[in-house]
Order: sequence, then C-alpha cells, then structure tokens
Amino acid sequence: EVQLVESGGGVVRPGGSLRLSCAASGFTFDDYGMSWIRQVPGKGLEWVSGINWNGSNTGYVDRVKGRFTISRDNAKNSLYLEMNSLRVEDTALYYCARGGDCTSTSCYGISDHWGQGTLVTVSS
Amino acid sequence: DIQMTQSPSSLSASVGDRVTITCRASQSISIYLNWYQQKPGKAPKLLIYTASSLLSGVPSRFSGSGSGTDFTLTISSLQPEDFATYFCQQSYITPLAFGQGTKVEMK
Repeated sequence: EVQLVESGGGVVRPGGSLRLSCAASGFTFDDYGMSWIRQVPGKGLEWVSGINWNGSNTGYVDRVKGRFTISRDNAKNSLYLEMNSLRVEDTALYYCARGGDCTSTSCYGISDHWGQGTLVTVSS
Repeated sequence: DIQMTQSPSSLSASVGDRVTITCRASQSISIYLNWYQQKPGKAPKLLIYTASSLLSGVPSRFSGSGSGTDFTLTISSLQPEDFATYFCQQSYITPLAFGQGTKVEMK
C-alpha cells in the first residue's frame, strides 16, 4: 500500500524558515517524480513544486521561486521542502504527492497518491 | 500561466441525479486534465486522468471528456458517497494549476 507521511509543519513568524519532510513507503520511490501541493483550509489547491526521479530537475510556482527548495533522498525514500522567507500567505496544509515529472524546462504529469498533509502557519 | 476555471462553484443535487461539472483552460492543454475528489478533512483522491481515463477502482458512474480547453466530469447517477468537492487540474505545463473547485451538496 502506498503511504506518504508528511511532517515538519508548525507555527513560524514571517521571515522564518521550515523544512517539511515526506516519508514514502509501499512503492519504489526512485521510480517516481514527486510534488508538493498546498491548500488553505477550506479553500482551493495550489501546486507548489515538483521534482523528477533523481532530483536533477525541479519546478516551482512563481510565488515561491527563490524562497522554497524541493529535494529528495532516494536512499531514505524521502522528499523535502525547504521553505525560507516565509510569508503569511504561505499558511496552508502542505501535501506530498506521488507522480509527475520535471524536465529542465517544465513539470507535468499526474499526482495519483497524496499524504494527509502537514499544516504550516505563518503568523506574528 | 494557464488558468483553470470550473463551473459551477457549487451545486445541489439528489441521489440518482446526473451531475455535470465543467472545467475550462485559458489555453489548450490537449488531454492533460485530471479530476480529483475531496471530502472534508481528507486529502484529494484522483478519479480521472488525461481527460477520460478512469483510475482503477473508481466507479464507472464517473466519466470525463474533452480536449483542448473544455472538459467535463459527469457522474451518471449520484450516490450518497459522492457528495464532495471536485477539482480539475491541468498536468500539461508548470505551474500545474487547479480549478477553484465545485462543491456537490445534497438538495
């Protein structure tokens, strides 16, 4: 059974940093690209970032470029999202999702399994 | 960036009704359109990918159609477990934008 378990969320001040992690199991992790998707509770979904199977290609939505960094450790079956210079508008539930891919110019593809999310609250 | 617009934003329906939700892309995305179902407090679940391919295990009352810029999700006979919010997503090019969602409520 595919399992994705996010961790690392919490309350942080504007300008602060957090590192989210996603532990994957139940599938061959390095066969898949991965994504981070966020949702303000009660609101819509926003694709944040994607990464290809070996981490050589990544993509981001413009509003997080230069502040967030996606990475992965295939030996640990783990996905990460390093978030710096956090803003109030980054407050959301952050989901890790399996699937998709990224080339040097774009990400694309389908997220077929999602974790339950980790909540990030940016507040003074 | 490609914008995704769903309509309606909400609808009221009864068990057994046929329900149709539309999703429009601001530019052509070929068939690279996915549909997700989300229930309160849960993560979204993939229902349909590449516009019309039903994920294994998803009931056949769900179907998708369309290409280019206009897409449709149809539930042929609404069941009690189908009351939820549905999102479309383009999977063609970064950023992989979602529609704003359609909440299907009980009439």
